[in-house]
Amino acid sequence: NAGVTQTPKFQVLKTGQSMTLQCAQDMNHEYMSWYRQDPGMGLRLIHYSVGAGITDQGEVPNGYNVSRSTTEDFPLRLLSAAPSQTSVYFCASRLSGQGDSNQPQHFGDGTRLSIL
Amino acid sequence: GDSVTQMEGPVTLSEEAFLTINCTYTATGYPSLFWYVQYPGEGLQLLLKATKADDKGSNKGFEATYRKETTSFHLEKGSVQVSDSAVYFCALIRRKIIFGSGTRLSIRP
Repeated sequence: NAGVTQTPKFQVLKTGQSMTLQCAQDMNHEYMSWYRQDPGMGLRLIHYSVGAGITDQGEVPNGYNVSRSTTEDFPLRLLSAAPSQTSVYFCASRLSGQGDSNQPQHFGDGTRLSIL
Repeated sequence: GDSVTQMEGPVTLSEEAFLTINCTYTATGYPSLFWYVQYPGEGLQLLLKATKADDKGSNKGFEATYRKETTSFHLEKGSVQVSDSAVYFCALIRRKIIFGSGTRLSIRP
């Protein structure tokens, strides 16, 4: 049982390049989400999905796109990378996204992204 | 809207010292509350949780009690170890999970 798997672990891009950060979970979780972690700002929600075919914006969605064609995968796309997107990105999942929930989130190990 | 406020770090303690990391929240109703821990170079891991008022979550010697009267969920440990050095996040969960800004803890041998 691999849990939440993120690839790549590290990436350096030039301004304007595009890239997809991959996230996969093997726990049959309905809810998946992407966060970015920046010094002194904790984790900020970028996008989330409550199930296949359904996505919604979080706190900081600009510059990022997502899709959820399967339950397992939730890729995050940067269409035109900017230096302000240099950050550590975490994907997370939990069993259900409906209503209030006391289910913990399971996190991947993160992708460290630098935009030059 | 819902929010979580944590004490700012870094917090530096000697081994075997008593630890408290303060966390307060603002939310309607009674959300579930969590503490997550992030070790260097890793993602976040669930440390403990409490789902209703007066619940006490505990794990690995850490404890936190859900106090609705003070809207708090402070993390405590009686005797810290060097291996406890990490960043600790308080969080509440609704449809989305809302994190505090994190508190970096360093333990000196």
